Amino acid sequence: DAGITQSPRHKVTETGTPVTLRCHQTENHRYMYWYRQDPGHGLRLIHYSYGVKDTDKGEVSDGYSVSRSKTEDFLLTLESATSSQTSVYFCAISRTSGGYETQYFGPGTRLLVL
Amino acid sequence: AQTVTQSQPEMSVQEAETVTLSCTYDTSESDYYLFWYKQPPSRQMILVIRQEAYKQQNATENRFSVNFQKAAKSFSLKISDSQLGDAAMYFCAYRSAAGQGYSGGSNYKLTFGKGTLLTVNP
Repeated sequence: DAGITQSPRHKVTETGTPVTLRCHQTENHRYMYWYRQDPGHGLRLIHYSYGVKDTDKGEVSDGYSVSRSKTEDFLLTLESATSSQTSVYFCAISRTSGGYETQYFGPGTRLLVL
Repeated sequence: AQTVTQSQPEMSVQEAETVTLSCTYDTSESDYYLFWYKQPPSRQMILVIRQEAYKQQNATENRFSVNFQKAAKSFSLKISDSQLGDAAMYFCAYRSAAGQGYSGGSNYKLTFGKGTLLTVNP
């Protein structure tokens, strides 16, 4: 258990509405990540953060923005949700153990955009 | 860019038997890390095993072991004495070791394969 929670766990929304997903960690890790999981694609990185107010894009960042105003929270926002953003979203943190970094994942958020 | 390929979309094994899941990757880097994650029906992503590329010795974790062939860029997962609880989607993942300690953190990005769905038959 890496002390990661995601909220909400499930959400149904309509095309064009804004959506914010929250990732919360309790272990004060510096690095946090947002991935999406789609059938046939595995997990793909959306955005990541390497500190408070320090974020950068991943490979599928179009249509998403992120914010990190405090260490424990990393927010993912869909400014205007589209059906192509229907997916399962995973947050992850980096924890160093055994001499190197490993990522541990939250429980996921299932988002359906109608 | 690195790519990770899992050529077996689905595999099945009888309980108590051994199964091997395949993973190949493409990279021009010499130093990197490889991981296997398990995703049961609960959808939780669970780390199974990890391997440092500079280590010759194959990693093992209880019933799970890897066959790491650096020259062939192959990283297979062997599950021995398969149990019903091993049924899950398994993902292979790659991470560069370049720029360790770089404050940007992009070197920590994981690149995943598309996964192999493992069924365990009683």
